[in-house]
Amino acid sequence: EVQLLESGGGLVQPGGSLRLSCTGSGFFFNYYGMSWVRQAPGKGLEWVAGISRGGSDTYYADSVRGRFIVSRDNSRQTSYLQMNSLRAEDTAIYYCAKDRATNVIVAAADDWGQGTLVTVST
Amino acid sequence: DIQVTQSPSTLSASVGDTVTITCRASAKIGFWLAWYQHKPGKAPQLLIYQASSLHNGVPSRFSGSGSGTEFSLTITSLQPADFATYYCQQYHDFPYTFGQGTKLQVK
Repeated sequence: EVQLLESGGGLVQPGGSLRLSCTGSGFFFNYYGMSWVRQAPGKGLEWVAGISRGGSDTYYADSVRGRFIVSRDNSRQTSYLQMNSLRAEDTAIYYCAKDRATNVIVAAADDWGQGTLVTVST
Repeated sequence: DIQVTQSPSTLSASVGDTVTITCRASAKIGFWLAWYQHKPGKAPQLLIYQASSLHNGVPSRFSGSGSGTEFSLTITSLQPADFATYYCQQYHDFPYTFGQGTKLQVK
């Protein structure tokens, strides 16, 4: 059974940093690209970032480009989202998700974690 | 970036009804569109990928259609478990983008 477990969320002050982790199990982690998606309170889903299976290609939403960095350590079956210069509008539940297909550049996300809450506030 | 416009934002229906949600992309995306179901406190669930392919384990009362810029999700014979929020997502180009969501509520 595929499982994705996010961790690292919490309360941080504006301008601060936080690193989220997403550890996968039940599948060959290094075969699949990964994404991060967030949902702010009362809002819809927003795709945040994606990373190719080997980690060489990364992609970002305009709203986070230059502030967030997505990475992965396949030996630890973990993807990371380093979030810097955090703003109140970054407050959200952050989900990691696995690509449905392997060996592709683009894919829908077929397995998701339960999410971790990030709150940016004084 | 490709924008995705989803409608309606809210839909009221009863158990047994058939409903349709539409999604329009700001540029041609071929068949690279997915539909997700999301319930409060839960992880989103993939329903449809590549516009019309049913994800494993998803009931056949869910179906998707469309290509290019116009897409739709149809749910026939609504069940109580289907009342949730639905999102379309284009994955033709990065950054991927979601529609605004459609909340399907009990009439």
